[in-house]
Amino acid sequence: GENVEQHPSTLSVQEGDSAVIKCTYSDSASNYFPWYKQELGKRPQLIIDIRSNVGEKKDQRIAVTLNKTAKHFSLHITETQPEDSAVYFCAASWAGNTPLVFGKGTRLSVIA
Amino acid sequence: GAVVSQHPSWVICKSGTSVKIECRSLDFQATTMFWYRQFPKQSLMLMATSNEGSKATYEQGVEKDKFLINHASLTLSTLTVTSAHPEDSSFYICSAREVVLMPQHFGDGTRLSIL
Repeated sequence: GENVEQHPSTLSVQEGDSAVIKCTYSDSASNYFPWYKQELGKRPQLIIDIRSNVGEKKDQRIAVTLNKTAKHFSLHITETQPEDSAVYFCAASWAGNTPLVFGKGTRLSVIA
Repeated sequence: GAVVSQHPSWVICKSGTSVKIECRSLDFQATTMFWYRQFPKQSLMLMATSNEGSKATYEQGVEKDKFLINHASLTLSTLTVTSAHPEDSSFYICSAREVVLMPQHFGDGTRLSIL
């Protein structure tokens, strides 16, 4: 089955700096890669996703890149703000038809 | 759009009690719903996948007689933790998907504490 590795487990950045979180997946058939943000005690919220037919997707300060050959994808947050502090999870699935397999999460702290 | 409602948000009960958690898709029809369990500071672990009108598919290691899942309609799935014990205490989250290739949307979760 699919296995998703996520790094780093914790990340601290100064407000205004960029943050990068990286994930690798094992199943080359996976072709859907969402990122979720989870604040303490709350639901995971979808912040961006990418499908394997594109290499990069951007939404304001958030971008995701995908390297199918290397089987890794990354989340980039620019101009970080304190409200970006949360746990971020990457995930992977095949054709959206299989359940999402999540990484272990990255606890991002943005220091004002 | 794509709102998933989960109730109750918090349950505290005695050991041996059965607890039912509801997951509803409010503004879309969810052909598939998923149930996850999350321990503190850990990732989401898939427990089971349920498709409307059919039996749930459980992940390895999840006791189907312990965690009963029903997906009787396109907007409602329920998880019943039967004869709950302290080790069942956890944060349970459902998610719903309208059709394949569509994103999964999560409920607010249920924090279950068994005394």
